[in-house]
Amino acid sequence: NAGVTQTPKFQVLKTGQSMTLQCAQDMNHEYMSWYRQDPGMGLRLIHYSVGAGITDQGEVPNGYNVSRSTTEDFPLRLLSAAPSQTSVYFCASSGLAGKLTGELFFGEGSRLTVL
Amino acid sequence: GENVGLHLPTLSVQEGDNSIINCAYSNSASDYFIWYKQESGKGPQFIIDIRSNMDKRQGQRVTVLLNKTVKHLSLQIAATQPGDSAVYFCAETSGGSYIPTFGRGTSLIVHP
Repeated sequence: NAGVTQTPKFQVLKTGQSMTLQCAQDMNHEYMSWYRQDPGMGLRLIHYSVGAGITDQGEVPNGYNVSRSTTEDFPLRLLSAAPSQTSVYFCASSGLAGKLTGELFFGEGSRLTVL
Repeated sequence: GENVGLHLPTLSVQEGDNSIINCAYSNSASDYFIWYKQESGKGPQFIIDIRSNMDKRQGQRVTVLLNKTVKHLSLQIAATQPGDSAVYFCAETSGGSYIPTFGRGTSLIVHP
C-alpha cells in the first residue's frame, strides 16, 4: 500500500492563479480531509468528506473547493490564490466502514507559496 | 470541538532522559485521544491513542496518561533518542466523531 499520496510536493503560484492539490489513498478509507498547517497554528481543517459524493466544510474553508467523485481521490482546488493561502497542506484519511476512529493517516504534505 | 492546547511549545532534553509532553483539553465530552509525531518535512504520524475509559496505555517506549478529572493528557517517552526529535500533537474527538481537534504542538529537541 502506498497510503496517502499527495501531489505536488512544492508549488509556487502568483496571486489570482488557480491550482489543484491532488490526494489519493489506497486503503479504502471512507473519510478524507484536508488540513493546512501554519507556524504556531497547528493543523486546521479545511474540508472533509465521509464518502464519495459527500463533502463538508471544516474550520477554514474559504477560498477552497473540494469534490469526492471516487473513494480514492479527494482533490483540493484553489480558485484564485491569495498570499494568505501560503501554507503546508496535508491530506489525511481514516476509517473503514463501521470502524471509524480518530486515527488519521497523513500524506507527506504539499508546500504552497503564493506570491 | 473545543480547544485542545499544550502547556509547553518547546521541550529540550538530553539523550537517554525521559520526556513528558503535556496536553490540556477543555471538552468534557472528549472520549478518544491521540498523539501524533511530526518529523521535519513530513506528515504527522500516529503514535498512540487512548479512550476515555482508560487512564493509562503503554506502547513501545511511550506511555499515555489520561486524567479526566483535570482534563489533562500526557505523553511519556522513555530513554529519549535523537530520532524522537519532532513536533508532537495531541488530538481529541468526542461522540464517535472521526474529526479530531488538534492542539498546537510541542517541539521536542533531543540533545546527544
